[in-house]
Amino acid sequence: GAVVSQHPSWVICKSGTSVKIECRSLDFQATTMFWYRQFPKQSLMLMATSNEGSKATYEQGVEKDKFLINHASLTLSTLTVTSAHPEDSSFYICSARDRDRGTNTEAFFGQGTRLTVV
Amino acid sequence: GDSVTQMEGPVTLSEEAFLTINCTYTATGYPSLFWYVQYPGEGLQLLLKATKADDKGSNKGFEATYRKETTSFHLEKGSVQVSDSAVYFCALNQAGTALIFGKGTTLSVSS
Repeated sequence: GAVVSQHPSWVICKSGTSVKIECRSLDFQATTMFWYRQFPKQSLMLMATSNEGSKATYEQGVEKDKFLINHASLTLSTLTVTSAHPEDSSFYICSARDRDRGTNTEAFFGQGTRLTVV
Repeated sequence: GDSVTQMEGPVTLSEEAFLTINCTYTATGYPSLFWYVQYPGEGLQLLLKATKADDKGSNKGFEATYRKETTSFHLEKGSVQVSDSAVYFCALNQAGTALIFGKGTTLSVSS
């Protein structure tokens, strides 16, 4: 089946530093990838839609200068949390849709990244 | 806009009990419907899906039928196991857009 690999699975960083999270589709190509944030015992909140070769589309209320998204290839999207603060601590999850399966199909999810800012 | 509503948990069951988790949706057009499962500290795994009305998705003993007339996609399993303990998310997809999720239902199964 389609596999999405997310790295790192957990990271601890100091307040004010930046953290990069990678999302790779291992056995398919993804024109579009999605980044979510999940708070404890809550649902997934869509942060942005990442499109290969173009700027990401951010959801309302998400700071694009703080959460930098780059989708440089059909298999890799990155999320960089800049100048991280404790309130950015969360579980971040990426997902990708196989471009060869059409747009009305399931998305495949990475294993998530637990970010803790101290 | 489109939305998904699923029953609030937690749902606590004994092993071998019957499980139903209700899910209803609001959407224009004809979305695809999904159930995902999330184990602690992990990402989401697709459990089953249905792409059109009256389709039944099934996997690992779980089933859900796409009911357009009631705009529902309830998840069922005849006999749950301890290993089924997880959070279950109902979701819908309109072509090309991100999945829209319900709030999730925590299932806890005891032996």
